Amino acid sequence: GAVVSQHPSRVICKSGTSVKIECRSLDFQATTMFWYRQFPKQSLMLMATSNEGSKATYEQGVEKDKFLINHASLTLSTLTVTSAHPEDSSFYICSARSPKSEKLFFGSGTQLSVL
Amino acid sequence: LAKTTQPISMDSYEGQEVNITCSHNNIATNDYITWYQQFPSQGPRFIIQGYKTKVTNEVASLFIPADRKSSTLSLPRVSLSDTAVYYCLVGDGAAGNKLTFGGGTRVLVKP
Repeated sequence: GAVVSQHPSRVICKSGTSVKIECRSLDFQATTMFWYRQFPKQSLMLMATSNEGSKATYEQGVEKDKFLINHASLTLSTLTVTSAHPEDSSFYICSARSPKSEKLFFGSGTQLSVL
Repeated sequence: LAKTTQPISMDSYEGQEVNITCSHNNIATNDYITWYQQFPSQGPRFIIQGYKTKVTNEVASLFIPADRKSSTLSLPRVSLSDTAVYYCLVGDGAAGNKLTFGGGTRVLVKP
């Protein structure tokens, strides 16, 4: 089946630094990828839609200058958390839709801890 | 976007059948219904998808009534490893159309 790879799985950083998370579709091309954030015992919250070759579309309340998204190729989208602060600590998950089906495939997630 | 409503939690025992119903009263004509399973600190995993009537695969069945305003995920003979959060999503699957997660159902399988 289709696979979405996300890296790193866990990252710990100091407050004020930037962290980049990669999301790759391994066996299909994805013109659109989605980035979610999940706090403990809560549901996934959509942050933004990443579009290959164009600007990402952010959900209301998500700061586009803080969460930079780049979708430079049909198999790779990156999310950069800039100047991270402790309140940005969360579980970040990417997803991509296989063009052959209506199914959305998810990465394994990245646990970000900002000290 | 069709909003979904699911029970917050559900307890069961090993070997029992678990049925989780999701309400989606304003589902659109083009919308599919998809169920995902999520374990702690992992991304959601696709379980099953359907449009109408009944769909069955190796892990679950999905029952969708004629009006499509609800759907029921059926997990046969659950085991301890089926303890997870189950999400019902509704969307039309078009490439750029986003899927929004509802609250999900936390299923606890007891020995």
